[in-house]
Amino acid sequence: AQSVSQHNHHVILSEAASLELGCNYSYGGTVNLFWYVQYPGQHLQLLLKYFSGDPLVKGIKGFEAEFIKSKFSFNLRKPSVQWSDTAEYFCAVNGAFTGTASKLTFGTGTRLQVTL
Amino acid sequence: NAGVTQTPKFRVLKTGQSMTLLCAQDMNHEYMYWYRQDPGMGLRLIHYSVGEGTTAKGEVPDGYNVSRLKKQNFLLGLESAAPSQTSVYFCASSYILIGELFFGEGSRLTVL
Repeated sequence: AQSVSQHNHHVILSEAASLELGCNYSYGGTVNLFWYVQYPGQHLQLLLKYFSGDPLVKGIKGFEAEFIKSKFSFNLRKPSVQWSDTAEYFCAVNGAFTGTASKLTFGTGTRLQVTL
Repeated sequence: NAGVTQTPKFRVLKTGQSMTLLCAQDMNHEYMYWYRQDPGMGLRLIHYSVGEGTTAKGEVPDGYNVSRLKKQNFLLGLESAAPSQTSVYFCASSYILIGELFFGEGSRLTVL
């Protein structure tokens, strides 16, 4: 069974600080990887995704993530956070070539609080 | 283009009552999902559907039933609500089974 670990549960940063949120997964095959963001009071929306190719993926709002296969990791980064980045961030993974049993597994989320 | 719409957005139930959450999508997606979100536990899949007339169990299906009579709708039912079902419920849909999910705005359910 696949699983996703997000070790940082709550991160507090000042505006302009750099961000890195950890995500590690457990799955024996080829994976598709996602980061979703949930702004306060809103639904989840896709931040970025990795299916194949360049392991450094760029998403919306200046976010990027790097897939390191040997480390089973897909960490999210942003060079300079803004107050508007305050949100909860979820890493998710599913098997790339499985059939109808495939499903997206989410991590427990990291709550990011950006202070002015 | 509304995307994924969930109704109702808020509901308070007493233990033992029943209710149905409705999810509607207008993107012609084959796949639809119901998740629950609880603090510190992320999102957990309750049930999902790979097409009209089909449903399948996810991680936490007990106490819930679903139906997908029409491609655009996915209903989540609670036959006898329990306090442990107090949660925020999210519906999602996707074009392919392993692709990006599009989420609704959530339904907050409280069971007293």
